[in-house]
Amino acid sequence: DVKVTQSSRYLVKRTGEKVFLECVQDMDHENMFWYRQDPGLGLRLIYFSYDVKMKEKGDIPEGYSVSREKKERFSLILESASTNQTSMYLCASSSRGGGYTFGSGTRLTVV
Amino acid sequence: GENVEQHPSTLSVQEGDSAVIKCTYSDSASNYFPWYKQELGKGPQLIIDIRSNVGEKKDQRIAVTLNKTAKHFSLHITETQPEDSAVYFCAIIQGALVFGQGTRLTINP
Repeated sequence: DVKVTQSSRYLVKRTGEKVFLECVQDMDHENMFWYRQDPGLGLRLIYFSYDVKMKEKGDIPEGYSVSREKKERFSLILESASTNQTSMYLCASSSRGGGYTFGSGTRLTVV
Repeated sequence: GENVEQHPSTLSVQEGDSAVIKCTYSDSASNYFPWYKQELGKGPQLIIDIRSNVGEKKDQRIAVTLNKTAKHFSLHITETQPEDSAVYFCAIIQGALVFGQGTRLTINP
């Protein structure tokens, strides 16, 4: 069964901490994405990547960065976590022109 | 970025009845319109999609209709069952997928 795996289901971090959210896919997909999901706002795109070492800003990149050193892994980094970054984070991957496969999400709480 | 409006935000129907969720968009260049279903504790899962050269697509109890002139597309679920209870998202493609705000569908037994 093809998978997108997010390393943590739940995380609690302190304000100001540097936070790493990891995502791994086993489908050899070229494209990978990070979204955050908040009630009433749907899914909003933070960053995406079409290839190794390549990244593009989405609609809400402020306060985030990403890393894609290997094709199967796409990391989201919160440089200095803030309470307004408390959210559900969803990683997805796709082949070119294909549908998206999502991970189960990481619920991050910043206190 | 591209704006996608989804209505209603919540929908409650009796088991066996039909449910309809509608999305409108503004970019006439959009040519791919998927629908995702998100169950509790899971990520969204693609359930049906339609491309701009087709007006309607059906898969068992689920159908999607597209009106490119009016820039809206809709999800239709017939003969609803309890397992249809979930949050549904429409989306369009603009580089990456841009999602609507979501509809929480509840099927009442």
